[in-house]
Amino acid sequence: GNSVTQMEGPVTLSEEAFLTINCTYTATGYPSLFWYVQYPGEGLQLLLKATKADDKGSNKGFEATYRKETTSFHLEKGSVQVSDSAVYFCALPSRNNDMRFGAGTRLTVKP
Amino acid sequence: EAQVTQNPRYLITVTGKKLTVTCSQNMNHEYMSWYRQDPGLGLRQIYYSMNVEVTDKGDVPEGYKVSRKEKRNFPLILESPSPNQTSLYFCASSLTQHQPQHFGDGTRLSIL
Repeated sequence: GNSVTQMEGPVTLSEEAFLTINCTYTATGYPSLFWYVQYPGEGLQLLLKATKADDKGSNKGFEATYRKETTSFHLEKGSVQVSDSAVYFCALPSRNNDMRFGAGTRLTVKP
Repeated sequence: EAQVTQNPRYLITVTGKKLTVTCSQNMNHEYMSWYRQDPGLGLRQIYYSMNVEVTDKGDVPEGYKVSRKEKRNFPLILESPSPNQTSLYFCASSLTQHQPQHFGDGTRLSIL
């Protein structure tokens, strides 16, 4: 079945550093891919999505490109802020209609 | 305001005492699901529902029940809770399983 493997954390960066969180997927066909963010004490919220190969999703300075050649959907941001400190999850729907999430990557940004 | 509402937000209870966590959405979404979040394991899906009266098991359904009698509600039932069900639970909904999900704020359950 479909699955995602996400870079393990935690990740600690200084403000304005470049961020990459790796996500690779295994899928039949080309399902939509998602990145969700969970701020402390809150539920998950959609950060960005891509619905087909070569699509680039972007939001709040974050980007991720749906790459079928490398089966990857890495999350990037050029200059992180303290307010980006959160847990980030890669996700995709499986063929059985359930949703598969990565283990989550905790990001801490220090001033 | 579009939202997914879970209740209660926090609950401490004892082994074997039946409990229900309610979930309601006001977006007319067809797809709803329940997840548990545990350290190091990320989110694991417990049950999901494609529409009214249609439910299916996710990755970790043992010890849980759900029902979908109305489109807006999707309660999670623990008939005989055990300590290994201590976790943070999230309800979510979306138009379909291929659309982004809206999550509730979570329910922290402690089973003693």
